[in-house]
Amino acid sequence: GAVVSQHPSRVICKSGTSVKIECRSLDFQATTMFWYRQFPKQSLMLMATSNEGSKATYEQGVEKDKFLINHASLTLSTLTVTSAHPEDSSFYICSALKATGDEQYFGPGTRLTVT
Amino acid sequence: AQSVTQLGSHVSVSEGALVLLRCNYSSSVPPYLFWYVQYPNQGLQLLLKYTSAATLVKGINGFEAEFKKSETSFHLTKPSAHMSDAAEYFCAVSGNDYKLSFGAGTTVTVRA
Repeated sequence: GAVVSQHPSRVICKSGTSVKIECRSLDFQATTMFWYRQFPKQSLMLMATSNEGSKATYEQGVEKDKFLINHASLTLSTLTVTSAHPEDSSFYICSALKATGDEQYFGPGTRLTVT
Repeated sequence: AQSVTQLGSHVSVSEGALVLLRCNYSSSVPPYLFWYVQYPNQGLQLLLKYTSAATLVKGINGFEAEFKKSETSFHLTKPSAHMSDAAEYFCAVSGNDYKLSFGAGTTVTVRA
């Protein structure tokens, strides 16, 4: 149990376009999901916290108008990278916090490449 | 605020040798501490976690870590390295808000 999926696993898009990444908790309900970004050979940096039914809270330095987060249900959060630029190319990883627990379960990540 | 520092960005061990990965933390509240493993182009897998119960924590794949408050450390060990242990390892800390702060990571290579 406690499986988190992400879709797509890889995406290539042109500069200026928008890309949506989905994060789903497959077998549990997650009131909170987190979005992280990982640049090559670097650690994960928390971008934002997504709570079901409310606005996401963003970490300092993360542009909320560029990285739109929606957490419409207890099993789905989406991250939309708007007007993507090459510097947005990264590995985006989500995690989901069980409603009844204290452990985060991580998705497999989405590799975004902006050309 | 919480943060962790991983000492050593790269560790190379022989198969069968001890694996020791160092992590020191800083936290203004009682910390939750974690070790994760990441294989190339994959997400993170939890190895073990400390949540204020026993100070010696046993995890999966033969790994264990000891919480030492006096040293603000949470080092990860495995008595005998296996080729499959080659991966990136991250130490992380959180407070009651569950937000994880990760260390820079340690790459482990295992020599045959």
